[in-house]
Amino acid sequence: GAVVSQHPSRVICKSGTSVKIECRSLDFQATTMFWYRQFPKQSLMLMATSNEGSKATYEQGVEKDKFLINHASLTLSTLTVTSAHPEDSSFYICSARYRAWDTQYFGPGTRLTVL
Amino acid sequence: KQEVTQIPAALSVPEGENLVLNCSFTDSAIYNLQWFRQDPGKGLTSLLLIQSSQREQTSGRLNASLDKSSGRSTLYIAASQPGDSATYLCAVRGAQKLVFGQGTRLTINP
Repeated sequence: GAVVSQHPSRVICKSGTSVKIECRSLDFQATTMFWYRQFPKQSLMLMATSNEGSKATYEQGVEKDKFLINHASLTLSTLTVTSAHPEDSSFYICSARYRAWDTQYFGPGTRLTVL
Repeated sequence: KQEVTQIPAALSVPEGENLVLNCSFTDSAIYNLQWFRQDPGKGLTSLLLIQSSQREQTSGRLNASLDKSSGRSTLYIAASQPGDSATYLCAVRGAQKLVFGQGTRLTINP
């Protein structure tokens, strides 16, 4: 099956700094990538959808200036958490899809802890 | 707006038992429904995907059914094992995105 990787798997940073998380589709071209956030013992919440070469579409309530998403190529999307604060601490999971009707493949997640 | 509900929220059973996890959704206009497994602190592992035109899918000890008209799906796990302990998530695919349920936290006791 298709593989999606995320890097880093775990990151700890100080409040006020910015953190970049990478999501890569390793063996297929991802025309669409998705970023999810998961709080402890809760389900996944979609943050934004990005199509290669286009601006991301953010879900209601997600601050686009805080969570910068770039989908510059068919195999790479990045999520940058700007000026991170402790409340941004969470588990971030990316997902990728080739065509609109295809299965979404999920990355292993990134645990962000902001001190 | 699609809403997905999973019942029960948590389930604990002895090893060897057969069990059923439930998922319901409010909008029957779906492309497919997918069951995932998530271990603590890990990403999602896809278990079964049922297209909207299908009634069920099977993989090993797992069987998932879909009744689109009633907005329900079940995940049947046969002969449960301690290694099946995890959170099971149901997700419904609409026109654009997946909508997830809250999950069922399953514990299989040896």
